[in-house]
Amino acid sequence: DTGVSQNPRHKITKRGQNVTFRCDPISEHNRLYWYRQTLGQGPEFLTYFQNEAQLEKSRLLSDRFSAERPKGSFSTLEIQRTEQGDSAMYLCASGYMNTEAFFGQGTRLTVV
Amino acid sequence: AQKVTQAQTEISVVEKEDVTLDCVYETRDTTYYLFWYKQPPSGELVFLIRRNSFDEQNEISGRYSWNFQKSTSSFNFTITASQVVDSAVYFCALRSGAGSYQLTFGKGTKLSVIP
Repeated sequence: DTGVSQNPRHKITKRGQNVTFRCDPISEHNRLYWYRQTLGQGPEFLTYFQNEAQLEKSRLLSDRFSAERPKGSFSTLEIQRTEQGDSAMYLCASGYMNTEAFFGQGTRLTVV
Repeated sequence: AQKVTQAQTEISVVEKEDVTLDCVYETRDTTYYLFWYKQPPSGELVFLIRRNSFDEQNEISGRYSWNFQKSTSSFNFTITASQVVDSAVYFCALRSGAGSYQLTFGKGTKLSVIP
């Protein structure tokens, strides 16, 4: 499988708990993006990496959110002290140079 | 600020009908890129097309065609002879050509093709 892989596919957590999602991009892609999508809305940009450097962060990315891409390969997105408003689909995408972004199937987070 | 408007929230058509999905964008950039993505019920966003702001040629790919008009800031998508497998949510998106790689998406149009 050469597509973008995200794990887990689904996560249910209690409010206040920390969660971490993983994204494995397409291997030759040096750009990696995180987006969040709530029901009935289009994806909203969260952050972007070029190799291991985090180059852009949205104002949506509060201090409870942190993303890493330590070796320029896979990435993790951690949400600390989850709130019900964090319930959403978290989408990862990867790309190379000026190509389009290819998306994974997403991680659906439910905070109860 | 960039903005993408997809005014049609939901569209239903009978199989084999043609359907056009509208997309209007706003940007101050002179160089930018426009995209269409398809999101089937499985959830994965599937890339359909990318168009840069300097290329106003319309494009056709099988049953799909795209009409880019800078004068009206529109990038509309037409499916000819629709099929049930075309049922999905379709998103139009915009990216600046000036260094930012983030995509700004519209709210999407849900297309239902009825057999």
